[in-house]
Amino acid sequence: NAGVTQTPKFQVLKTGQSMTLQCAQDMNHNSMYWYRQDPGMGLRLIYYSASEGTTDKGEVPNGYNVSRLNKREFSLRLESAAPSQTSVYFCASSDRDRGGYTFGSGTRLTVV
Amino acid sequence: KQEVTQIPAALSVPEGENLVLNCSFTDSAIYNLQWFRQDPGKGLTSLLLIQSSQREQTSGRLNASLDKSSGRSTLYIAASQPGDSATYLCAVVRGGNEKLTFGTGTRLTIIP
Repeated sequence: NAGVTQTPKFQVLKTGQSMTLQCAQDMNHNSMYWYRQDPGMGLRLIYYSASEGTTDKGEVPNGYNVSRLNKREFSLRLESAAPSQTSVYFCASSDRDRGGYTFGSGTRLTVV
Repeated sequence: KQEVTQIPAALSVPEGENLVLNCSFTDSAIYNLQWFRQDPGKGLTSLLLIQSSQREQTSGRLNASLDKSSGRSTLYIAASQPGDSATYLCAVVRGGNEKLTFGTGTRLTIIP
């Protein structure tokens, strides 16, 4: 039972480059989320998807786009990376009935 | 807007002691509350999930309680061990809204 799988685990980008962070869950959860974690700021919600085919903005969506490819996969794209996007990114999914969240192991992204 | 506060921000105790971590939230209309631990450089591991209709949950040496009316939850750790050293986060989900609101975290250090 893999839970929530994120790739890659580490990435270094140059300012202006683009990349996509991948996330997949195997728990048949309806809802999926992308968070970023920064020192002193805690975890902040970037985007979420309550069900396949829907996405909504969270607290800090600027500079990001998402795609809910199917029920299992939810990707986060940085079109033109900026140093302010240096962070640790976590994907999560939740069981709508029970509400419990499961998190991936994170992607540590550095933009230089 | 829901605000979640955890006290203390940091705690150091000798191995073997019992300890209590506190979590308070401003909006009592929650769907559930979840406790996580995060080891340095790692993802979030779910410890306990308390549904809004429940008063407490137990797993091994951990016991979490929930008092919605007062907007408080506590995480009790019995017979602490060095392996318990981590940051502990509580998070709430508001009724009808699945987005998590995280607390500020308590960094726990167990001294051998």
